Amino acid sequence: NAGVIQTPRHKVTGKGQEATLWCEPISGHSAVFWYRQTIVQGLEFLTYFRNQAPIDDSGMPKERFSAQMPNQSHSTLKIQSTQPQDSAVYLCASSWGGGNTLYFGEGSRLIVV
Amino acid sequence: GDSVTQTEGPVTVSESESLIINCTYSATSIAYPNLFWYVRYPGEGLQLLLKVITAGQKGSSRGFEATYNKETTSFHLQKASVQESDSAVYYCALGAQGTGSKLSFGKGAKLTVSP
Repeated sequence: NAGVIQTPRHKVTGKGQEATLWCEPISGHSAVFWYRQTIVQGLEFLTYFRNQAPIDDSGMPKERFSAQMPNQSHSTLKIQSTQPQDSAVYLCASSWGGGNTLYFGEGSRLIVV
Repeated sequence: GDSVTQTEGPVTVSESESLIINCTYSATSIAYPNLFWYVRYPGEGLQLLLKVITAGQKGSSRGFEATYNKETTSFHLQKASVQESDSAVYYCALGAQGTGSKLSFGKGAKLTVSP
């Protein structure tokens, strides 16, 4: 079974550019989560979907960040007008419908220069 | 809010010595907290090490143990004799019981086991 797949693994973008990160959850998992990891803040929850519907986006910065799950096989996290403080590792995780154990991808490292 | 406080790295231990990584939690909005330890080995993704869903119970995996103590709101990770291959970053996490709920993580403790 393939794990959670995240692309790209590394992305360098210029300040003010847009960045889109992709996540393919484990087949059969109905919940998808996005986290951001930095040295200072650690692992911060951003948002999650269940059965493709947005459930909780309480961790998402109100401006510039958006997430979607157009089908059960992928989710995207988009950051508009990227800023240096957006530099982080963005982690996607999925879980099956009846449980709360998260299975993580290897992350997408975003560097904004 | 719900939060986790844990030993923050680096933690350096010699091979075959014992280890404890402290974790305490605050679950103000969760009626039945579940507690987790996740681990990230070098070059790998974050993965579940062990999980306990019932207060008073102990979880174990790969020689590590952690007991869910509701009275002290703690979930310390212990191992009697560490190996060099245990070198990794360890994260304590808190979540609600049930369907696809988010987890709150501690900041992680980087363990280095010296030969």
